[in-house]
Formats: sequence, structure tokens, C-alpha cells
Amino acid sequence: GQNIDQPTEMTATEGAIVQINCTYQTSGFNGLFWYQQHAGEAPTFLSYNVLDGLEEKGRFSSFLSRSKGYSYLLLKELQMKDSASYLCAVRDQTGANNLFFGTGTRLTVIP
Amino acid sequence: GAGVSQTPSNKVTEKGKYVELRCDPISGHTALYWYRQSLGQGPEFLIYFQGTGAADDSGLPNDRFFAVRPEGSVSTLKIQRTERGDSAVYLCASSSGPNTGELFFGEGSRLTVL
Repeated sequence: GQNIDQPTEMTATEGAIVQINCTYQTSGFNGLFWYQQHAGEAPTFLSYNVLDGLEEKGRFSSFLSRSKGYSYLLLKELQMKDSASYLCAVRDQTGANNLFFGTGTRLTVIP
Repeated sequence: GAGVSQTPSNKVTEKGKYVELRCDPISGHTALYWYRQSLGQGPEFLIYFQGTGAADDSGLPNDRFFAVRPEGSVSTLKIQRTERGDSAVYLCASSSGPNTGELFFGEGSRLTVL
């Protein structure tokens, strides 16, 4: 089975840095994804990690440790528009490209 | 079209009725997925198509739920004898193939069963 844990809610200040953690226990692993979802909208892709280490993409970075079953999403220079839910998802190993999602972390950015 | 298109965007129905939700994936994408998302939760996998065939339907909650993709493009999710617990946003996603990167999601169809 799959078990993906992430905090339910976080609050951070505009201009600051925030780290959203995700731990997973899955029957197979073939990559970890982070998606952003604004209220009432579709999830949109942010990042993908399949090897250990840090992937940087502009203000967003994502880290993976496969041995620890752990990932984090780092958001720098927070903007008000970054207020959204951030979904951690693990791809299984069956070749289906199917993603199993955590419950999401709702981030609120305050002035 | 440019993105994944889902219709209707909103559907209100009565308990016991039959509902169809449609998904038009990104042109050329062979893989298509249906997810269900309840308020405050992450998307929950329902079914995956590769081409016309359902490669994995292990997420369908019971036999009231069924999905088809007869020509390998548009897919329809069908729910019989709807129950109040079926109320959720039904998300469709597509990708260019298995193990080929991210899933592209549609805006979803919000189903409300009264």
C-alpha cells in the first residue's frame, strides 16, 4: 500500500522561505512529484525527483532522500500568490505512471 | 485542445440517478487517469487507461463506477445509482505515456448528490 504524510496547514510571511515536508512509505517507488493547487483549480506540476538530491527551479526547489522516504519542497521569496495547497505524490513502479497523492499542505502567505 | 477539458464543470443530481462525466485529454496523450478529490484531501486514484484499455481500475470504489475510452481519446466516467458520498470533484489527467513525466490535469467536474 501507499502512505504519504505531509502537514495539513502552514502559514508563512511574504518574502520569507518555507519548507514543506513529505514522508512516504510505498510498495514501489519510481519518482516523487510536487503539485500546486489553488482553490477550485486543477493541480499544476511543480517538480519531479527520482534520484537523491536537490532539484532547483527558480524560487522553488525540491529535495529527495529515497533511503529515508523523505522529500521537501522549498519556496523562497514567498509571494501572496503562493497561497495554495501543495500536493506530494509518489509514482508507483508498475509502469502505469500512476501517482498516489498525499492530502496536501495548505499554505497561507500573510503580509 | 491545448489542455485537458472536462465537462460538465458542475453537476447537481439526486440520489439514485445516473451520471456521466466526460474528459477530453491533450491531443496525442495515450495515458488517461481519473481521480476523485474530496474537500481538504488529495486526489484519490480511480482508474488508468493506456490507449483504449483500462490498464488499472483498482481504485474504482465499487461496481457502480465504470469508465470507458472507446477510441483511445475521450473518456467517460459513469456512475450509477449515485449516493451522497459520491459528491466530490472528479479530476481527469493525461500524460504522453507511461513513465513519461508529469500528469496534466483538467479543471475537474464537481459532482453534488443531493
